[in-house]
Amino acid sequence: RKEVEQDPGPFNVPEGATVAFNCTYSNSASQSFFWYRQDCRKEPKLLMSVYSSGNEDGRFTAQLNRASQYISLLIRDSKLSDSATYLCVVNKGGATNKLIFGTGTLLAVQP
Amino acid sequence: DAGVIQSPRHEVTEMGQEVTLRCKPISGHNSLFWYRQTMMRGLELLIYFNNNVPIDDSGMPEDRFSAKMPNASFSTLKIQPSEPRDSAVYFCASKPAGTGDGYTFGSGTRLTVV
Repeated sequence: RKEVEQDPGPFNVPEGATVAFNCTYSNSASQSFFWYRQDCRKEPKLLMSVYSSGNEDGRFTAQLNRASQYISLLIRDSKLSDSATYLCVVNKGGATNKLIFGTGTLLAVQP
Repeated sequence: DAGVIQSPRHEVTEMGQEVTLRCKPISGHNSLFWYRQTMMRGLELLIYFNNNVPIDDSGMPEDRFSAKMPNASFSTLKIQPSEPRDSAVYFCASKPAGTGDGYTFGSGTRLTVV
């Protein structure tokens, strides 16, 4: 089983739609969780951290379910500029700096 | 802040040649990471350093790969000899102390071994 698993997509959605991505992780000792965004032929960039209580940043909402080892990202009112690959990221476990990246979910927002 | 700086941006080399990739982390960041990204395997951690000391090199594929961090502002990843299967995008990332922070990535080096 992969340490971090994501549906690769692609998710093709119209502008204005709401879309949700899910991710599961295998290490119950993981403490830090993130969503990164990667545009084609660019480096990954931190989109947002994910906190136990859930957190929101504008149109983006991230949630964590530790019991189920499950992370989600919700994007409301999708824009063309949201088209990218979204990477679920989890630290290896405990206090380590080591982050494990999922293979990403491709989102294509259509006009 | 200039961010994480990697060089070269692109490298095309012949099989068997030595390749050296370079990285300058963000000033004040004490952890540095080398990742490799391919379509098949995604982002794989090769090695990471804390305070210039290699902590975990379990992701280094084989002895042909080596990495150094002689000081807080510079790191290299060397492949000798290079092989076509090493073709990938190699990213360097850095982060400040504290596990709550994500990484900042450089723009990557796109390596093609022919």
